[in-house]
Amino acid sequence: AQKITQTQPGMFVQEKEAVTLDCTYDTSDQSYGLFWYKQPSSGEMIFLIYQGSYDEQNATEGRYSLNFQKARKSANLVISASQLGDSAMYFCAMREGLGTNAGKSTFGDGTTLTVKP
Amino acid sequence: EAEVAQSPRYKITEKSQAVAFWCDPISGHATLYWYRQILGQGPELLVQFQDESVVDDSQLPKDRFSAERLKGVDSTLKIQPAELGDSAMYLCASSFLAATYEQYFGPGTRLTVT
Repeated sequence: AQKITQTQPGMFVQEKEAVTLDCTYDTSDQSYGLFWYKQPSSGEMIFLIYQGSYDEQNATEGRYSLNFQKARKSANLVISASQLGDSAMYFCAMREGLGTNAGKSTFGDGTTLTVKP
Repeated sequence: EAEVAQSPRYKITEKSQAVAFWCDPISGHATLYWYRQILGQGPELLVQFQDESVVDDSQLPKDRFSAERLKGVDSTLKIQPAELGDSAMYLCASSFLAATYEQYFGPGTRLTVT
């Protein structure tokens, strides 16, 4: 069974600094996708970034990058130049399988990020 | 910009009562998901639809929960009877295809059972 572990319940970062949110996963599949979502206090989940298990390069989307270390089964999210609006809950998620064989998503329990002015 | 719509945003109900949530996915999205998110935890998939068919409902407590998507567009999730442990955020999401990795989430319905 797939499992996602986020060991940091809460993180603080100074505005304009970079921050890394940790995520480790457990799966026996060779094909899978890893995701990060942001959930502000309003409740809506916002997709941030995706990494496929066969992608050779780390995914990047603007200020977000995913540090994918396949051998360690980790998929850490790096947010550069933090902004006050980045304060939110962040979830790491995984789907076993790819494309039409993709299974359901499993989410971690999240990390609360607070950006200090 | 197209959005997933959900209503109501907040619902307070007494235990043993029936409650229903509604979701309207982004137009053209064939796959619709219902998640339950307990406070302090990540979302858990309750049911996944492909058009009007259920693809996965393995985590849906079928003795009290039901979900339908009759015309393959909007969907309703029902709980009858509600229990105290059902208090949670209920999130609806949609994607163009099940194979599409990006899911678009609605604002959620926060349910409180008293």
